[in-house]
Amino acid sequence: DAGVIQSPRHEVTEMGQEVTLRCKPISGHNSLFWYRQTMMRGLELLIYFNNNVPIDDSGMPEDRFSAKMPNASFSTLKIQPSEPRDSAVYFCASRREAYVADMNTEAFFGQGTRLTVV
Amino acid sequence: AQKVTQAQTEISVVEKEDVTLDCVYETRDTTYYLFWYKQPPSGELVFLIRRNSFDEQNEISGRYSWNFQKSTSSFNFTITASQVVDSAVYFCALSEDNQGGKLIFGQGTELSVKP
Repeated sequence: DAGVIQSPRHEVTEMGQEVTLRCKPISGHNSLFWYRQTMMRGLELLIYFNNNVPIDDSGMPEDRFSAKMPNASFSTLKIQPSEPRDSAVYFCASRREAYVADMNTEAFFGQGTRLTVV
Repeated sequence: AQKVTQAQTEISVVEKEDVTLDCVYETRDTTYYLFWYKQPPSGELVFLIRRNSFDEQNEISGRYSWNFQKSTSSFNFTITASQVVDSAVYFCALSEDNQGGKLIFGQGTELSVKP
């Protein structure tokens, strides 16, 4: 199993440019999460999908952020236009939804994309 | 409201010492799940353990052990005979039932194990 794959690993862009982060979840996992990690705010959930449908995007900071999941094996997080305060590590995670009552499964994380907006 | 508190920001120990990382959580749900993740210097987040709220049995995995106490809302993590490779940031996280697996993370504890 290749694990959750994110690309690129590092991205440096100028303020105002569009940035697209990509994620391939683990095969068979039907929940996908985008988290952001900063020194100030720690790890925070941006959005999550279940069966390719966005369920909760309350963590998306602004309209400049958008996320899509066109199919079960691919998701993108787009920032347009990017700003210096968007600089962070963005993690994608996936998990297999538990269909047994009172159960939960763990999420597995990708290696993250370190975004720097200058 | 749900919350996870890791009061220890940084811990430094010498190799072979035992070390305990504290985690206190808040939730109104009766069914919830607790997790520990490790973030080594390379940056990835590595899953360590998951515990259900209805299972208070402690768990041991090699040098790692976890103590879950609902009475004090704590889920502490102990590393026995620490090694340099244990140096990392450790995160405790909470997921409430029917929340789709969303994780609420603590701020993390940076553990430094010196030779």
